[in-house]
Amino acid sequence: DVVMTQSPLSLPVTLGQPASISCRSSQSLVKSDGNTDLYWFQQRPGRSPRRLIYMVSRRDSGVPDRFSGSGSGIDFTLKISRVEAEDVGVYYCMQGTYWPHTFGQGTKLEIK
Amino acid sequence: ELKLGESGGGLVQPGGSLRLSCVASGFSFSPYWMSWLRQAPGKGLEWVAQIKQDGSEKYYVDSVKGRFTVSRDNAKNTLYLQMNSLRAEDTAVYYCAGAALGYWGQGTMVNVSS
Repeated sequence: DVVMTQSPLSLPVTLGQPASISCRSSQSLVKSDGNTDLYWFQQRPGRSPRRLIYMVSRRDSGVPDRFSGSGSGIDFTLKISRVEAEDVGVYYCMQGTYWPHTFGQGTKLEIK
Repeated sequence: ELKLGESGGGLVQPGGSLRLSCVASGFSFSPYWMSWLRQAPGKGLEWVAQIKQDGSEKYYVDSVKGRFTVSRDNAKNTLYLQMNSLRAEDTAVYYCAGAALGYWGQGTMVNVSS
């Protein structure tokens, strides 16, 4: 199975400051059609996960533009330009290129 | 409003069975692959099973192969997960999701314990 490794696992951030989460896959996530199935999800406390980003960098409808995704091959990044209180929760990357689809361990974002 | 709603969870003894259902409302789910995922208490997310639009292709994580069966009824906008030979390690919140995980339900808790 493809292993997704996130860092850091804990991310204390001051309100208004930027945050960055790294995700590395154990093999390239580029598909034969050239696309890359890499997703980012946010899970607020007590809530279902919510997709933020798909295909590496495409932001879902309703997701604030302070969230951005980037990367290629095996290295990917989720960035929050200015953290707000509502961003507290756990963030997961996930690969959909290979079955079984696999998630990173999760990064817990908290406010300092 | 687009919505997915799971039901069927509960407390079951090891070796027992449960059938989860997930009803889609506000949209037709027939154009989408649909999936079941789970999250054990205090743990991360795990993809359990996935089914193609017409049910012709199904995929399972190794740990549930031979025990869980995913199915769908597009006329009823409903996704199912039949879970047999349940084990303690199957204890989790089970979510249904669709459209490349763009839509999620609220989850249903499955507790396997004697």
